[in-house]
Amino acid sequence: GAVVSQHPSRVICKSGTSVKIECRSLDFQATTMFWYRQFPKQSLMLMATSNEGSKATYEQGVEKDKFLINHASLTLSTLTVTSAHPEDSSFYICSASTWFLSTDTQYFGPGTRLTVL
Amino acid sequence: AQSVTQPDIHITVSEGASLELRCNYSYGATPYLFWYVQSPGQGLQLLLKYFSGDTLVQGIKGFEAEFKRSQSSFNLRKPSVHWSDAAEYFCAVGATNDMRFGAGTRLTVKP
Repeated sequence: GAVVSQHPSRVICKSGTSVKIECRSLDFQATTMFWYRQFPKQSLMLMATSNEGSKATYEQGVEKDKFLINHASLTLSTLTVTSAHPEDSSFYICSASTWFLSTDTQYFGPGTRLTVL
Repeated sequence: AQSVTQPDIHITVSEGASLELRCNYSYGATPYLFWYVQSPGQGLQLLLKYFSGDTLVQGIKGFEAEFKRSQSSFNLRKPSVHWSDAAEYFCAVGATNDMRFGAGTRLTVKP
């Protein structure tokens, strides 16, 4: 149980284009979803937190106009990297939590490797 | 503010040897503590968690961790390491909406 998927697993795009990454909770309803960014050989950096039907809360220093987060349903959240540039290349990981399964535990997706040329 | 320190960036152990990965935390209240494992190019898998109660926590894959409040530590242990345990290990502290991760410890397993 508590499976989170991400799509795509890898994406390569040209500079200036936008990329959408999907995060789905497959077997539970996620009341909260999180988006992290991970640079090579480093830890996870929380980008934003989103609750279904609400605007995402972004961490300090994260550009909300560049990293658009939509949490339209209890099983789907999307991260759109707009006008991507090479410095946006990174590993993006989502996670989900739910009060119905186990409080205060995040379940992580497998991650999406974004490469911007 | 809460924070997590993993003092060891990289540890190498021989297959079959015991393992201990260190984690120290700073938290204003009783912490929620987690250990996650990440294989190359993969997301994070929860190994175990501590919220309250018994300070020795058993997890998956034969791992355990002990919460020591006096030392502000939550070290991860395994009595006998397998080659498949080679991965990056992250300690985390905090509640769901405010979780902080350590920098990670990379485990290499020698044959």
